[in-house]
Amino acid sequence: EPEVTQTPSHQVTQMGQEVILRCVPISNHLYFYWYRQILGQKVEFLVSFYNNEISEKSEIFDDQFSVERPDGSNFTLKIRSTKLEDSAMYFCASSEVTTYMRFFGPGTRLTVL
Amino acid sequence: ELKVEQNPLFLSMQEGKNYTIYCNYSTTSDRLYWYRQDPGKSLESLFVLLSNGAVKQEGRLMASLDTKARLSTLHITAAVHDLSATYFCAVDSGNTPLVFGKGTRLSVIA
Repeated sequence: EPEVTQTPSHQVTQMGQEVILRCVPISNHLYFYWYRQILGQKVEFLVSFYNNEISEKSEIFDDQFSVERPDGSNFTLKIRSTKLEDSAMYFCASSEVTTYMRFFGPGTRLTVL
Repeated sequence: ELKVEQNPLFLSMQEGKNYTIYCNYSTTSDRLYWYRQDPGKSLESLFVLLSNGAVKQEGRLMASLDTKARLSTLHITAAVHDLSATYFCAVDSGNTPLVFGKGTRLSVIA
């Protein structure tokens, strides 16, 4: 069964460093998303991406964040200068147009020290 | 602004019992989703409900949607330990982002 994959599973970084989180969405899906979940809290939307551009972004997704689809399969989230409060689980998701059901990847746990 | 409220937030139930989790949302929405999350794991899709009166069932879980009341329920029948997890409802409309509730942490005890 096709699934969304993410790498790395866990990333530890120092405050102020840049991180890139990687995702491979399900191959026939057209919408891609990043969500985050601070430990024990609800899942929060960051950004959606369609047709090679951002279609929606939340207030959390400020200038420190960027997304890219560098080739036909990968979808990346970059945080330019990490802060302590960026520590969270980051989930990538993808969806077909018709069903809208988002299928989530296993997540990357980001720890900023 | 779309808001999603779930209750209860914590639920401890005995094996074999029935219970219902409630999900209210604040504005008209097209789709309502239920997800399951095990500790430290990703979100597993359970149901998507598209229309008023929609009911879906999978095993011991049954989800329903009342769009007039802006309410969805997730009913658990004869709970077993394997159902212990956090259950999230989420709502979207058109191309709006998916908005999640805070989740209901379910613990099924013997």
